[in-house]
Amino acid sequence: AQTVTQSQPEMSVQEAETVTLSCTYDTSESDYYLFWYKQPPSRQMILVIRQEAYKQQNATENRFSVNFQKAAKSFSLKISDSQLGDAAMYFCAFIQGAQKLVFGQGTRLTINP
Amino acid sequence: GAVVSQHPSWVICKSGTSVKIECRSLDFQATTMFWYRQFPKQSLMLMATSNEGSKATYEQGVEKDKFLINHASLTLSTLTVTSAHPEDSSFYICSASTQGFYSPLHFGNGTRLTVT
Repeated sequence: AQTVTQSQPEMSVQEAETVTLSCTYDTSESDYYLFWYKQPPSRQMILVIRQEAYKQQNATENRFSVNFQKAAKSFSLKISDSQLGDAAMYFCAFIQGAQKLVFGQGTRLTINP
Repeated sequence: GAVVSQHPSWVICKSGTSVKIECRSLDFQATTMFWYRQFPKQSLMLMATSNEGSKATYEQGVEKDKFLINHASLTLSTLTVTSAHPEDSSFYICSASTQGFYSPLHFGNGTRLTVT
């Protein structure tokens, strides 16, 4: 079974600085997608960024970028120029085949002004 | 972008009663919808996969007789919590996907269920 592990229950960063959230996963498949979702206090799940496993190039969305290491099964999220609105729970997620998203445990990110 | 509407956003019901939660894809057809449960400060746990026109597929440990899922059309899936008990109190979230594998899932805003 696929598993997703986020080893950092909580992280904090000063506003305007950079923070990296870690995620590792386990799968025997070669074709899959990885996602980072943000869940603010409203609890709405918001897609932050996604990465196709067959692409070597790391995905980037404005201030958000990933470091995808397929051999190491690692998928970290880097948030640059952190803003107060980035404060939320961040979930790493894996999907393969039947579109069943498997979520990590989540990392609560606090932005210090 | 694709919008998923979930209703109600919160509901309080008495123990022993049933409550229905609706999940609608507003501007796209969703052949597959997913139902998740989230306890406070925890991750989302998949409860079941709902396929239009067929029976839902439940994850291990989820009581199919307690959590009834119906996906009668390409835009609507419902989750009915039957004979609710306080331990069923939780946050329930649905998601839906557009056609094709690996398309991003779109989430509803969730339903907070409190059983008294």
